[in-house]
Amino acid sequence: GENVEQHPSTLSVQEGDSAVIKCTYSDSASNYFPWYKQELGKRPQLIIDIRSNVGEKKDQRIAVTLNKTAKHFSLHITETQPEDSAVYFCAASTEEYGNKLVFGAGTILRVKS
Amino acid sequence: GAVVSQHPSWVICKSGTSVKIECRSLDFQATTMFWYRQFPKQSLMLMATSNEGSKATYEQGVEKDKFLINHASLTLSTLTVTSAHPEDSSFYICSAVWREGFRDTQYFGPGTRLTVL
Repeated sequence: GENVEQHPSTLSVQEGDSAVIKCTYSDSASNYFPWYKQELGKRPQLIIDIRSNVGEKKDQRIAVTLNKTAKHFSLHITETQPEDSAVYFCAASTEEYGNKLVFGAGTILRVKS
Repeated sequence: GAVVSQHPSWVICKSGTSVKIECRSLDFQATTMFWYRQFPKQSLMLMATSNEGSKATYEQGVEKDKFLINHASLTLSTLTVTSAHPEDSSFYICSAVWREGFRDTQYFGPGTRLTVL
């Protein structure tokens, strides 16, 4: 089955700097890659997603890139702010499996002001 | 749009009792809902897939007789933890799939923190 690896497990950046989180997946059939942000004790919130027919997607300070050949995708956050501090999870799924998501282990992002 | 609620937000129960958790999609219909379990500082672990009108599909290692799932309508799925024990204490989160055209997106509920004494 699908396996998703996420790095780094923790990331500390200075406010205003950029943060990059990387994920690799094993199943070449995967075609949907969402990113979720989870604050302590709260629900995971979808912040951006990308499907396999595009290589990059951007939404204000957040962008995701996908390299299907290498089977990896990355989350880029620019001009980080303290409120970006949270745990970020990447995930992968194939449509044929009813959108069952396989999650990465998560990255704790700390933005220092 | 795409709001998912969960009830209760937290529950404390005695060992041996059963606890029911409700997951509702408030402004959309969800043919498919998922139930996850999350331990502190860990990722989300999929427990089962809940499909309206059919039996749930459980992940390997999840006891179907212990974690009963009922997807009674297109907006409601319930998870019942039967004969709960302290090791069942965890954060349980549901998600509902919002279908827009040919695209499906999962939206999560706020979670239920279960503590079994």
